[in-house]
Amino acid sequence: GQQLNQSPQSMFIQEGEDVSMNCTSSSIFNTWLWYKQDPGEGPVLLIALYKAGELTSNGRLTAQFGITRKDSFLNISASIPSDVGIYFCAGQRAGGTSYGKLTFGQGTILTVHP
Amino acid sequence: NAGVTQTPKFRVLKTGQSMTLLCAQDMNHEYMYWYRQDPGMGLRLIHYSVGEGTTAKGEVPDGYNVSRLKKQNFLLGLESAAPSQTSVYFCASSIMTGYGYTFGSGTRLTVV
Repeated sequence: GQQLNQSPQSMFIQEGEDVSMNCTSSSIFNTWLWYKQDPGEGPVLLIALYKAGELTSNGRLTAQFGITRKDSFLNISASIPSDVGIYFCAGQRAGGTSYGKLTFGQGTILTVHP
Repeated sequence: NAGVTQTPKFRVLKTGQSMTLLCAQDMNHEYMYWYRQDPGMGLRLIHYSVGEGTTAKGEVPDGYNVSRLKKQNFLLGLESAAPSQTSVYFCASSIMTGYGYTFGSGTRLTVV
């Protein structure tokens, strides 16, 4: 079953505010990924993390791979209305039988008020 | 470059009817996946394929079958639809382990 706990489940913020969300797992992952899903569309990859402790940025987005390999964080700075959507974390295990399968968090629904 | 294309985008089925969802990718990816998305539950893996002619069960495979006769296509079948299969279905592909997925835009299925 579901192994990733993502929080918060939803956020309502004002434009310009910073946003933080996180994902925790009972299992170790070798890759952490963050996706964004716009209404009516499939998820789109935002950031990929491959090493424990890694901190990676993509514009206003910053994500970190936790040193225990059981968690990851995503921060969005200076939010804008187009940041609205659902954000998913996903973990991937290494090894021959993983076949690239991802385990997803439940998602964080972000609403940005102008 | 279309990426991952899913057809149809919307479908309404009656309980007991059957249908096939088609996923096509033009990126020469080896791995393909079918997920379902339900509110508050994220995306759950139904079936996946690691290459042409191969398929394997994911987390929630019951009530679904798949086939991958050609590398670029991955079909998801519902033999006898049930209301519990009302969901949004996403297909995804990946070049190999360690890389993220490219997702299709989804199929919204309602079973009445």
